[in-house]
Amino acid sequence: DTAVSQTPKYLVTQMGNDKSIKCEQNLGHDTMYWYKQDSKKFLKIMFSYNNKELIINETVPNRFSPKSPDKAHLNLHINSLELGDSAVYFCASSQAGSNEKLFFGSGTQLSVL
Amino acid sequence: DAKTTQPTSMDCAEGRAANLPCNHSTISGNEYVYWYRQIHSQGPQYIIHGLKNNETNEMASLIITEDRKSSTLILPHATLRDTAVYYCILNAGGTSYGKLTFGQGTILTVHP
Repeated sequence: DTAVSQTPKYLVTQMGNDKSIKCEQNLGHDTMYWYKQDSKKFLKIMFSYNNKELIINETVPNRFSPKSPDKAHLNLHINSLELGDSAVYFCASSQAGSNEKLFFGSGTQLSVL
Repeated sequence: DAKTTQPTSMDCAEGRAANLPCNHSTISGNEYVYWYRQIHSQGPQYIIHGLKNNETNEMASLIITEDRKSSTLILPHATLRDTAVYYCILNAGGTSYGKLTFGQGTILTVHP
């Protein structure tokens, strides 16, 4: 069983479209995250959710809206996609009290044309 | 969080120990040293972390100098599957809520 799974793995879309990436974890963790890895391979946190509440929002444009229907899911909706949104997006989760030991998904490669 | 410095790349022969250094001369007293790695086309993977004592787990050993200004990650018997980018990260834990600051890391290439 995959601990942190995200879909789709690849997403190719046109500028201006709206798209979603889904993430699910079966580890029973309380905290979930979205990280972005740009073309230069730098990984940066976007959002952190703890028990479905937003904890960290790293000055991400409001075109990006995370939604956590329950503790096991954290989906990422992106409106009005721009060329600069092309990147690999990673979902992750961690256990309360051990928030720096993250378990990452395998990533979603988003290409905006 | 304080900054870390790692070599851009390193090579290691399969079966030998891989020793990956990390400098963190401005580390604060409450900052842990974390190591993650990212194998090509995969998400980052936690390896090990420590505060001031040396640590060992099934994946690796972490040696932290007494003054805590540098550390070394040791993969005792490197395999081809250990080829990856290795990140040394400082984090105070607690209220960071999983905000890890990834640098450029060290590209480790294990060759036959």
